[in-house]
Order: sequence, then C-alpha cells, then structure tokens
Amino acid sequence: EADIYQTPRYLVIGTGKKITLECSQTMGHDKMYWYQQDPGMELHLIHYSYGVNSTEKGDLSSESTVSRIRTEHFPLTLESARPSHTSQYLCASSGKTVASGNTIYFGEGSWLTVV
Amino acid sequence: KNQVEQSPQSLIILEGKNCTLQCNYTVSPFSNLRWYKQDTGRGPVSLTIMTFSENTKSNGRYTATLDADTKQSSLHITASQLSDSASYICVVSDRGSTLGRLYFGRGTQLTVWP
Repeated sequence: EADIYQTPRYLVIGTGKKITLECSQTMGHDKMYWYQQDPGMELHLIHYSYGVNSTEKGDLSSESTVSRIRTEHFPLTLESARPSHTSQYLCASSGKTVASGNTIYFGEGSWLTVV
Repeated sequence: KNQVEQSPQSLIILEGKNCTLQCNYTVSPFSNLRWYKQDTGRGPVSLTIMTFSENTKSNGRYTATLDADTKQSSLHITASQLSDSASYICVVSDRGSTLGRLYFGRGTQLTVWP
C-alpha cells in the first residue's frame, strides 16, 4: 500500500481565497508530481520535483505554485482561487524516473471546488 | 503528437464474466506501459508495468498484454467481481529524455452488475 497522503480530501472555497493542498510521502522518494484531473478526462501533469529545492512546471499551464523544502513534503498553493481551478488534484511519487519502469504511487486526491 | 487511446470508453458486464480492455498508443520512443485502476473519487492504483521486452504480465485476475510492434496493449479481467467497477487507465512512458514522461489515456469505465 502506498504511503502518500493528501489533505484536504474535499474543499469548497470562495473566489479569491488562498489555498494550499498538502502532500506527504513516507517512502523516501525523490520524485514527486502534481496532476490535475477533470471528471472523465486524462491526468495532466502540472508540477514535478526531482528532489529538495527542485521544482518544474509540467505540461499543463497552471496558476498554482509548489515548493520542495523537505523530501517528504510537496505542497501546492493557489494564491487566488477561481472557479476555473475547480478540479481534482492528485499527488504522486516514485523512487526513480518514469522511464525506469518504477512504480508511481498516487495519493487519494484532493477535490477542490471554487464558488 | 504522442497519444494514448483507450476503448471502449465504458463497459457494463455481469459479475463473474470476463472482459478485455484495449489501449493503442503512438508514444515514441517507447519505454514502458502501465495499467492503473482508479476507483471513483480515489487515486489510481498500479496494476501492471510492462517494458518493451515483456508481452504479458499478470496480477491476480488481471492480465495485461503488450504488442510493441503494433503499439497495442490489452487488460483482461477474469471472473469479474463487483469491486472491479472502476476506471482503468493505460499510461505509456517514453524514453525521449533521461527522465521520461507519462502519457495518460482517458480510461475505460467498467461497471460490474450483480
């Protein structure tokens, strides 16, 4: 079973609010990822990190930001939430690169609704 | 453009029956192919991972096949159970860079009826 945790699981907030989605893993993985997934659609990579103090933007443009101060922690922040940010956000981690065939573990997801 | 296409989009079967889900991809250069199960409102869980040299891999009642020549994969589920109701996602990784990247299909939504 994956040891990767996301909080909150569900969040409803008003437009303009600042929110932080938390993601932690206890597997010692260097690689961590944030994906965005709308219902019935594929996952899109929005941020990734290959280690402490390393963060990169993914394929899908996002107004969110991330930080990686500790290996186990990879929070995602939206400074000013908008209804267009309503989606499911999935955090993932792996011990090696995706090209290596190593298992990628996903958290349970955070469902964000901006009203 | 690298793509992963899955079919059917949705499928309903009766408990105890078998089914096969399809995945076609154009990702190149190919590194590996993964099948994930995603329950509604949950994160994806890995079922199988296959590299170029592997053409079949099993995980309990799940058996994945890979034909790297035709760029096709299938996931066969035997003796389906109600708990198999979920979205099954095909994910292909390239090796175009040292790190690689993932390409996700939209999933097949499987519903198992009693």
